[in-house]
Amino acid sequence: DAGVIQSPRHEVTEMGQEVTLRCKPISGHNSLFWYRQTMMRGLELLIYFNNNVPIDDSGMPEDRFSAKMPNASFSTLKIQPSEPRDSAVYFCASSSDRGKVYTFGSGTRLTVV
Amino acid sequence: SQQGEEDPQALSIQEGENATMNCSYKTSINNLQWYRQNSGRGLVHLILIRSNEREKHSGRLRVTLDTSKKSSSLLITASRAADTASYFCATDSGGGADGLTFGKGTHLIIQP
Repeated sequence: DAGVIQSPRHEVTEMGQEVTLRCKPISGHNSLFWYRQTMMRGLELLIYFNNNVPIDDSGMPEDRFSAKMPNASFSTLKIQPSEPRDSAVYFCASSSDRGKVYTFGSGTRLTVV
Repeated sequence: SQQGEEDPQALSIQEGENATMNCSYKTSINNLQWYRQNSGRGLVHLILIRSNEREKHSGRLRVTLDTSKKSSSLLITASRAADTASYFCATDSGGGADGLTFGKGTHLIIQP
C-alpha cells in the first residue's frame, strides 16, 4: 500500500483565492481525519469522517472551510476565500478504527500571500 | 484544545544516551499513543498503550502510563542521530466523536 496520499505537497496562493487539498486514504480504512499544524497551535483536528460521513466538524475554523468525502477513497478540504492566517501544514490521516492507530499523509504546506 | 502536553519542549543529548520525554493529559482516556515526526514529513505511529496497561516496550522504546497522575513517558534508549525528530503524544478519550488529540510535541536533537 502506498499509504495516505495527499496532494499537492506545496501550495502557494494569493489571498482571496480558492484552495483545494486532496487526500486518498489507505484502502479499507473507514475513518479519515483532517488536521492542521502550525507552530503556535500545534496539531488541530479540523474534521473527522467515518464511513464517508462527516461526524465532527467542530474544529473547522470558519465557514470558509469545507470538507467532503464523496467516496471511500477520496476526500477534499476546501478553503474559499483563503487568507494569510490559513497558512499551515494540512495533514490527512486514516484509520481502520477511531481509537486505533492513525496513518498520516506527508501533508500539504499551504502558504497564502 | 490540547489534551496532551509534552515536556520538555526541546531536548538535546549526545548519541548513545537515553532520552526521556513526558506527556500529561487532562481527561480520562481509552489509550495513549506516541508518534514521531521528521522535519517536513507526516507523523508516524510508534507505540500505543491502553489505559489498563502500565508499561510497554517496542525495540529501543519504552512507554509508561500512570492514569492516576494522567501522565505518560517515552524513553528512547541508546539514542542515535537518526532519532532526531519531534515526538508527540496523542490521547483517545473514547467518548463522543473526537479524533486523537495531540500535544505540541518534544523536539529531540541527538548530537553525533
